[in-house]
Amino acid sequence: EAGVAQSPRYKIIEKRQSVAFWCNPISGHATLYWYQQILGQGPKLLIQFQNNGVVDDSQLPKDRFSAERLKGVDSTLKIQPAKLEDSAVYLCASSPGMGSPLHFGNGTRLTVT
Amino acid sequence: AQSVAQPEDQVNVAEGNPLTVKCTYSVSGNPYLFWYVQYPNRGLQFLLKYITGDNLVKGSYGFEAEFNKSQTSFHLKKPSALVSDSALYFCAVRGNTGGFKTIFGAGTRLFVKA
Repeated sequence: EAGVAQSPRYKIIEKRQSVAFWCNPISGHATLYWYQQILGQGPKLLIQFQNNGVVDDSQLPKDRFSAERLKGVDSTLKIQPAKLEDSAVYLCASSPGMGSPLHFGNGTRLTVT
Repeated sequence: AQSVAQPEDQVNVAEGNPLTVKCTYSVSGNPYLFWYVQYPNRGLQFLLKYITGDNLVKGSYGFEAEFNKSQTSFHLKKPSALVSDSALYFCAVRGNTGGFKTIFGAGTRLFVKA
């Protein structure tokens, strides 16, 4: 089966600019996750979707981050405006069910200068 | 609240020796527990999981993990380490209540010396 697809692979922007990341999960996976992984740290959950509904977004900085999952398939994560501390790898993952592991994409490495 | 602790930033072991990477957790209800591995410039890969049943679970690449409910631990083990096992290892926990979100530990870097 095809894996989780993410784009772009790398992105460099200046602070206060905006950026968007795209994720296409594995076909049939109802749950989609966005994680932020800062260098040297574990992945931090930003938002979790079940189909096209939000299950948890308690750690999403809603003043600057937004995410949507239209039609319960693809998802986009947006940052506007970006700050220096947003420099990180943004990981998308999907899962078919509760007892199943997460399948991760290769991530988008964001550098904010 | 859910939490995962990996008390060691780095574990060093000689090739051929057994290895243990520690993980403790806190979650309401019965936990779903996972181990993932991350190689440089690669996404996280699933190693093994515990949902229910036998406390010793076996996974990919010869790894296994032991679930200990009383100590709320889920340590990763391998009887004989390989240099190629050198990577970053993450423990993760998913509660079975509320939003069922998956929380990751900070990670442990495993270094296997030839």
